[in-house]
Amino acid sequence: AQSVTQLDSQVPVFEEAPVELRCNYSSSVSVYLFWYVQYPNQGLQLLLKYLSGSTLVKGINGFEAEFNKSQTSFHLRKPSVHISDTAEYFCAVSEGTGNQFYFGTGTSLTVIP
Amino acid sequence: KAGVTQTPRYLIKTRGQQVTLSCSPISGHRSVSWYQQTPGQGLQFLFEYFSETQRNKGNFPGRFSGRQFSNSRSEMNVSTLELGDSALYLCASSSAHGEQYFGPGTRLTVT
Repeated sequence: AQSVTQLDSQVPVFEEAPVELRCNYSSSVSVYLFWYVQYPNQGLQLLLKYLSGSTLVKGINGFEAEFNKSQTSFHLRKPSVHISDTAEYFCAVSEGTGNQFYFGTGTSLTVIP
Repeated sequence: KAGVTQTPRYLIKTRGQQVTLSCSPISGHRSVSWYQQTPGQGLQFLFEYFSETQRNKGNFPGRFSGRQFSNSRSEMNVSTLELGDSALYLCASSSAHGEQYFGPGTRLTVT
């Protein structure tokens, strides 16, 4: 089974500053990788996904992530954050279509005005 | 396309009762997964159904069960509710490409 590690449980950052949320997974087999965002009292919204191809993936709301197979990482980045980015972010890994998703414990991003 | 819908959105039950939650996936999606989310345990996978068959199962007691109908709608049932079952229950439907799309969740409170 996969395990997913989100190294930072809480990340405070000032508005308009860059941010990186870190995610590492355990297995080096072929994987699908995802980042989700959850706003209070809502479900999870897909931010971006890596299924194959280019290792740099762009998502919604100006977020991007880079797949690094050798380091088994999929870190999420945004060059300039907004207040509205304050939310919980989850990294997820799947070993392919039809396979179980494994989620990290989440990173709470707080954007400070 | 309409998103994943879950009913009810909020539910209050008493210990020992049972509860049934419903999920309607995105049209055309045949896979439905269920998760329990709590502040202490995070997101935990319950089970996944595909074409009316349970395909994957998490590590939860038998009090948690589910099913899927021919129209891909899914229900999960929790019997003999315990205080620790209070959580946000999330349903997700999967596309053929493998990504999951989540519903808004059902907030279950057990008193």
